[in-house]
Amino acid sequence: GQGVEQPAKLMSVEGTFARVNCTYSTSGFNGLSWYQQREGQAPVFLSYVVLDGLKDSGHFSTFLSRSNGYSYLLLTELQIKDSASYLCAVRGGSNYNVLYFGSGTKLTVEP
Amino acid sequence: EAAVTQSPRNKVTVTGGNVTLSCRQTNSHNYMYWYRQDTGHGLRLIHYSYGAGNLQIGDVPDGYKATRTTQEDFFLLLELASPSQTSLYFCASSDLGISNERLFFGHGTKLSVL
Repeated sequence: GQGVEQPAKLMSVEGTFARVNCTYSTSGFNGLSWYQQREGQAPVFLSYVVLDGLKDSGHFSTFLSRSNGYSYLLLTELQIKDSASYLCAVRGGSNYNVLYFGSGTKLTVEP
Repeated sequence: EAAVTQSPRNKVTVTGGNVTLSCRQTNSHNYMYWYRQDTGHGLRLIHYSYGAGNLQIGDVPDGYKATRTTQEDFFLLLELASPSQTSLYFCASSDLGISNERLFFGHGTKLSVL
């Protein structure tokens, strides 16, 4: 089966950082993506990783460890507007044209 | 920027009603998807298609039919709607691994079944 797990909620403070975790257990692996979703809106693509290690994209970075089935999205210098849900999605091995999503982590950034 | 348009934005129907959700993409993508999103479950795949006339079953297909009439148009049909199908429905298109690594989503359709 395809299992993608994320914590439901996360809180942090403006100007600091937040790390959104994702663990997965899928039959095969062809990459992991992160999406941002604001309340009542469609998910928006942020990042895609397929190789182990850290990928820096400026305001946020993404890390992947394939051997541990683990990824995180790191947001730095948080702003209030970063408050949103962050979705982790895995491309499976048997059908790499399908994404399996976690239930999302709702990040609240407080002043 | 890739475009995916869903209609209607909101729909209210009664139990046993017949509902059709529409999706059109102008991205020339081969793949189109229907997801539903519910609190605590995230996005769950209902059906998807890799071209006109093709249909693939997703993870939660019960109670849903779908039809891909053209490369651009993908429809989701609820022939006997039930309250458990009250949800936010998203359509998406992509060519994963060919030209990009992302799904492009429509703005969603909020369906309420009374």
